[in-house]
Amino acid sequence: RKEVEQDPGPFNVPEGATVAFNCTYSNSASQSFFWYRQDCRKEPKLLMSVYSSGNEDGRFTAQLNRASQYISLLIRDSKLSDSATYLCVVPNTGGFKTIFGAGTRLFVKA
Amino acid sequence: EAGVAQSPRYKIIEKRQSVAFWCNPISGHATLYWYQQILGQGPKLLIQFQNNGVVDDSQLPKDRFSAERLKGVDSTLKIQPAKLEDSAVYLCASSLTRLAGEITYNEQFFGPGTRLTVL
Repeated sequence: RKEVEQDPGPFNVPEGATVAFNCTYSNSASQSFFWYRQDCRKEPKLLMSVYSSGNEDGRFTAQLNRASQYISLLIRDSKLSDSATYLCVVPNTGGFKTIFGAGTRLFVKA
Repeated sequence: EAGVAQSPRYKIIEKRQSVAFWCNPISGHATLYWYQQILGQGPKLLIQFQNNGVVDDSQLPKDRFSAERLKGVDSTLKIQPAKLEDSAVYLCASSLTRLAGEITYNEQFFGPGTRLTVL
C-alpha cells in the first residue's frame, strides 16, 4: 500500500455542485494532515489543516477517519475558481517527514 | 510578512552541466524543505533541514545532488551533472515546526519554485 493515495480524478463538475475527494494513508500513527491547493504552474498553497476529527472553513470541510485511515475534502457550492489540483499531505511517524499525494485534479465548469 | 523567496525562477541548461538554486525561508522558520515536482505528480521531498542540520535526505540522489543550509537560514540546492530526467520544478518550503503534546504542527509555506529544463 502506498504511503499516501488520492482519488486519481480528474473530477469535472458544474458550478454549484458538491464534490468530495478521498485520501488514504498507511501510517496509522500520523497525527496531523493537510490539504493543499495547487493552481497550474503555481506553488502549493495550504488550504486546510486537520489535527482532530475534522475541520471546516466556509465551503470547505475536511474529515478524518482514523479507523479506516483516510481523510476527505468536501467542497460545497463549487465555484469556477475552485478549479485546481488538490494535494493531500500526511506526515510520517513523529511528523518530521511529509509525504504528498499525487493530487486530484478538479475542473469546475459553468 | 515576506514569503519564501527562490531564485532563479527559470533555468535552462544542457545535460551534464551544473546548476544551483537558492532559497530564503520565512523569517524564524527553523525547518526548510526542498522538493522536486515532475509534471503531473505531487511534490517529492528531496531533503529536509532543521536549522542547519539534515533531518531527512533519503530521497536525494547524492551522486549528483547536494544541498546545504549554512547558518540555518538560506539554503542552496545543487545538481552536478544534470540529467534529462532532472527537468522539473524545484520547490522550497519552510515551516515553524512546533510540538504540542503528541501532535507536531508543521504547516509548510512554499516559494514560487524554480522551473528547470535540461536539454
